[in-house]
Amino acid sequence: AAGVIQSPRHLIKEKRETATLKCYPIPRHDTVYWYQQGPGQDPQFLISFYEKMQSDKGSIPDRFSAQQFSDYHSELNMSSLELGDSALYFCASSVRLAGGADTQYFGPGTRLTVL
Amino acid sequence: QKEVEQNSGPLSVPEGAIASLNCTYSDRGSQSFFWYRQYSGKSPELIMFIYSNGDKEDGRFTAQLNKASQYVSLLIRDSQPSDSATYLCAVNTGFQKLVFGTGTRLLVSP
Repeated sequence: AAGVIQSPRHLIKEKRETATLKCYPIPRHDTVYWYQQGPGQDPQFLISFYEKMQSDKGSIPDRFSAQQFSDYHSELNMSSLELGDSALYFCASSVRLAGGADTQYFGPGTRLTVL
Repeated sequence: QKEVEQNSGPLSVPEGAIASLNCTYSDRGSQSFFWYRQYSGKSPELIMFIYSNGDKEDGRFTAQLNKASQYVSLLIRDSQPSDSATYLCAVNTGFQKLVFGTGTRLLVSP
């Protein structure tokens, strides 16, 4: 079965640079979520999109922005990178079910290292 | 206090034993509950989800939910060394985001 695709898988940037992470959801999934997981920590919710509109927002820094495009893929844009942004970034996708919570399936993640 | 609490472990069990993983949550409005397995450096992999009070079984896995006690657990029967991983409890409070516990590290020894 098709899974969530993320690119790139690894990314190395210098401080103050910008980075763009991409996520391609499972086909027919209409909702995309972004999570950040630091070393030894649990995933922290950043932001989500449903039908190309922002649907929920978590602890996403103002330096970060994201959007969902007409083909449902999503991009997370990160500017003025800081050392503390080094983490695994996961994208998850789900399909909205009537009366039920969405079950989220995670992509393989992008490991971002800021030097 | 974290919204979702788990014992960080490690929980050590011998191969073939039952592993019992526990999770408590603070938001009584929480509606759905998920267990993910995560190997080091890999992404969370969905094991089970449960919405209603009681037990839900899927193969070697059983999820148990008690909303009155705000408690959810995962039992793994016939534990295998390949089950050694961190198990994340995640809760959906009605919004879209999942709130994760810090995870319980499970070690299954041959």
